[in-house]
Amino acid sequence: QVQLQESGPGLVKPSGTLSLTCTISGGSIISSHWWTWVRQPPGKGPEWIGDTFHSGNTNYNPSLKSRVTISVDKSKNQFSLKLSSVTAADTAVYYCASHAVTGTDWFDPWGQGTLVTVSS
Amino acid sequence: QSALTQPASVSGSPGQSITISCTGTSSDVGGYTYVSWYQQHPGKAPKVMIYDVSKRPSGVSSRFSGSKSGNAASLTISGLQADDEADYYCCSYAGSGTVVFGEGTKVTVL
Repeated sequence: QVQLQESGPGLVKPSGTLSLTCTISGGSIISSHWWTWVRQPPGKGPEWIGDTFHSGNTNYNPSLKSRVTISVDKSKNQFSLKLSSVTAADTAVYYCASHAVTGTDWFDPWGQGTLVTVSS
Repeated sequence: QSALTQPASVSGSPGQSITISCTGTSSDVGGYTYVSWYQQHPGKAPKVMIYDVSKRPSGVSSRFSGSKSGNAASLTISGLQADDEADYYCCSYAGSGTVVFGEGTKVTVL
């Protein structure tokens, strides 16, 4: 069964770049699913950041598109998130998830999440 | 892309049924049959309970059901149990490969 695990720095300075990696185990990144990043600020609802397919195709949240890059590393069975010019408003738990989209639309499974704090 | 509207809180006694609403627009909820619902316990990742408006993933209790009418979707939990106390989020496809989540509803079992 597919499992996802986020990794990366838990603290990023304002104006810096947030970088996270999601490692897929128990399955291949080369599948019909897309691979997603979702974030959840403390006490708030989830916010979809964007998706990538194993081909490198991407979809991004329009509100974050200018600052987001999601990429795939098939050799490592990983996909990554980069969010530039971060501010305190980007402080959140960041989740990676598998996104089923062929004639359907839902997220499962999810990683456990990783808290990223933007602070000097 | 605005967050879908949900009531902040809903409560019920054990054994009762409750319904959580999720209101969007014709560009998301009303335009597609791709509404999903997620349960989130404190400190845990969201877990899918309903997808494609009314389908239940394997392993999810039949006490959870979903429906949609126009620009609004609903999640009903019947036979409310203590473990159902959690936050619930709706989610909808919003076109052009994008997705939007709801604001969230805290369910309290009295």
